[in-house]
Amino acid sequence: AQSVTQLGSHVSVSEGALVLLRCNYSSSVPPYLFWYVQYPNQGLQLLLKYTTGATLVKGINGFEAEFKKSETSFHLTKPSAHMSDAAEYFCAVSDRGGGSNYKLTFGKGTLLTVNP
Amino acid sequence: GAVVSQHPSRVICKSGTSVKIECRSLDFQATTMFWYRQFPKQSLMLMATSNEGSKATYEQGVEKDKFLINHASLTLSTLTVTSAHPEDSSFYICSARREGYTFGSGTRLTVV
Repeated sequence: AQSVTQLGSHVSVSEGALVLLRCNYSSSVPPYLFWYVQYPNQGLQLLLKYTTGATLVKGINGFEAEFKKSETSFHLTKPSAHMSDAAEYFCAVSDRGGGSNYKLTFGKGTLLTVNP
Repeated sequence: GAVVSQHPSRVICKSGTSVKIECRSLDFQATTMFWYRQFPKQSLMLMATSNEGSKATYEQGVEKDKFLINHASLTLSTLTVTSAHPEDSSFYICSARREGYTFGSGTRLTVV
């Protein structure tokens, strides 16, 4: 079974500082990889995804992530944090082969706080 | 872009009653719909996967008789929490899949 590990349940940065949220996956075959953001009492919004091709993926709101097969990682970064980035972030994976209807497996989430 | 409408956004019900939550894909036909449950400050827990016209596949530990899922069309899935109890209070989120995943805005269920 696939699993996703997000290191750090809470990350705090200053406004304008680099944001780095870590995600590692456990799968024998590299899965599809996703980052989602969730604001309080709302659903999930897709930030970016990796399926194939270039391993550096750019998403919305200035976020990007790099797929590193050798490290089984898909860390999320943003060069300069903004107050509006404060939210919960989830890394997720799904099976490439279509097993289980491509269901998503989520990490436990990382709460990002941005200090003025 | 793809939009999924989930209603209601909030519902309060009395213990022992049933509550229905709707998840509708507005501008696309979803091949698969997923239902999740999220406890405060925790991740999303997949409850079940449903395909149009077939029975839902429930995750281990999820009571299929308590959480009834109907997927009558390619654009509509419903989750009914039957005989709700306070421990069923939670945030429920649906997701519709076609080429990607689109999430509803969630339903906050409070059972009193």
